[in-house]
Amino acid sequence: DARVTQTPRDKVTEMGQEVTMRCQPILGHNTVFWYRQTMMQGLELLAYFRNRAPLDDSGMPKDRFSAEMPDATLATLKIQPSEPRDSAVYFCASGLDLTSGSNTGELFFGEGSRLTVL
Amino acid sequence: EDQVTQSPEALRLQEGESSSLNCSYTVSGLRGLFWYRQDPGKGPEFLFTLYSAGEEKEKERLKATLTKKESFLHITAPKPEDSATYLCAVQAYDKIIFGKGTRLHILP
Repeated sequence: DARVTQTPRDKVTEMGQEVTMRCQPILGHNTVFWYRQTMMQGLELLAYFRNRAPLDDSGMPKDRFSAEMPDATLATLKIQPSEPRDSAVYFCASGLDLTSGSNTGELFFGEGSRLTVL
Repeated sequence: EDQVTQSPEALRLQEGESSSLNCSYTVSGLRGLFWYRQDPGKGPEFLFTLYSAGEEKEKERLKATLTKKESFLHITAPKPEDSATYLCAVQAYDKIIFGKGTRLHILP
């Protein structure tokens, strides 16, 4: 049963610490998205990749957030230094190329990483 | 700016009481409109894709419709297991933007 795997599921840290969240997309998917979910803002798009190349990271605070895909099986989202306002659930989602006419556009989401910054 | 707005924010219904959720959008070059369901503590799960005005999709008690400016998710005779947050999203070229969702609670 193919699924997107995210680690850690829960993370509590103190302000100023570095946080790294990891995502293993579904094998064969070439598009990866990072979203952040809060009650106030809903699901916010942070960054996305196609074929491991970053397409847009304009949703991220550039001074503290960074997103990478070191290889096709791993996407990372790093926050350094973390702040209390970064507390949220971070979701990774993978899918097929959205620009392909034959694609339904379906994204497969992981179960999220819940981050609490004290 | 591409934007998705969902209403109402929350909705409580009695079991069997049909209703509709609304999703209005502004996007340059809509490539698809999506509905997802999200259960507490889980990631969103895909329900439907709609591509053009007039299109409809159905799945069990759910039916999604699309016009040029909005989409509706109709829920017919809902059951308690339909309780969830329903998210609407639009594809603008190569990215997908979500609304804040409607929290639906079906009372037995």
